[in-house]
Amino acid sequence: VQLQASGPGLVKPSETLSLTCAVSGDSITSYNWWSWIRQTPGKGLEWIGEIQKTGTTHHKPSLRSRVTISLDTSKNQFSLELTSVTAADTAVYYCAGNGRVSLAVWSKGATVTVSS
Amino acid sequence: EIVLTQSPGTLSLSPGERATLSCRASQYVSSSYLAWYQQKPGQAPRLLIYDASTRATGIPDRFSGSGSGTDFTLTISRLEPEDFAVYYCQQYDTSSFYTFGQGTKLEIK
Repeated sequence: VQLQASGPGLVKPSETLSLTCAVSGDSITSYNWWSWIRQTPGKGLEWIGEIQKTGTTHHKPSLRSRVTISLDTSKNQFSLELTSVTAADTAVYYCAGNGRVSLAVWSKGATVTVSS
Repeated sequence: EIVLTQSPGTLSLSPGERATLSCRASQYVSSSYLAWYQQKPGQAPRLLIYDASTRATGIPDRFSGSGSGTDFTLTISRLEPEDFAVYYCQQYDTSSFYTFGQGTKLEIK
């Protein structure tokens, strides 16, 4: 299975960051859970949240109020929305397929800059 | 939130040498919930080890993981040139879900 994360590379402060992860090589239902992770030089790797193939979601507690993760099985993809972004949300974003309490397969990173 | 502290921050070794990387947790971590990743510049992390000691698919047997409780170790028995990278540990718990250590950079001496 291959993953490709895509979305706008530049988002204005206070707006919503939207990213999509396209799954190829297998059905999105082949993995039980899918995650979003981001990476910054300052905070390192940070797990954002996950969605189960049934639609159940979990989020990092500190981001919960701003994060929505959704799944579109017809398009074999899942998505991330992060609202009210600030410069602190500037990061490289990855999507991943969860293995056994680990992140087994990753996309290439999608760089998102928050700036006016 | 369980905090993972990796040491050393940077490890300088030569090809052929043995590398030992440490990951210490601020609270007990179930051995089943500890993983290790390798990341090279410009690339996504790659899963090496899960369940503390199980190699992921395609990972060479020179990589091994061990440990329990709060202390875990990633060992590379004989370094190959392609092993020089940054290594992260990661734990899972039902409150914070996935958290990562800050990484150990393995560099060529």
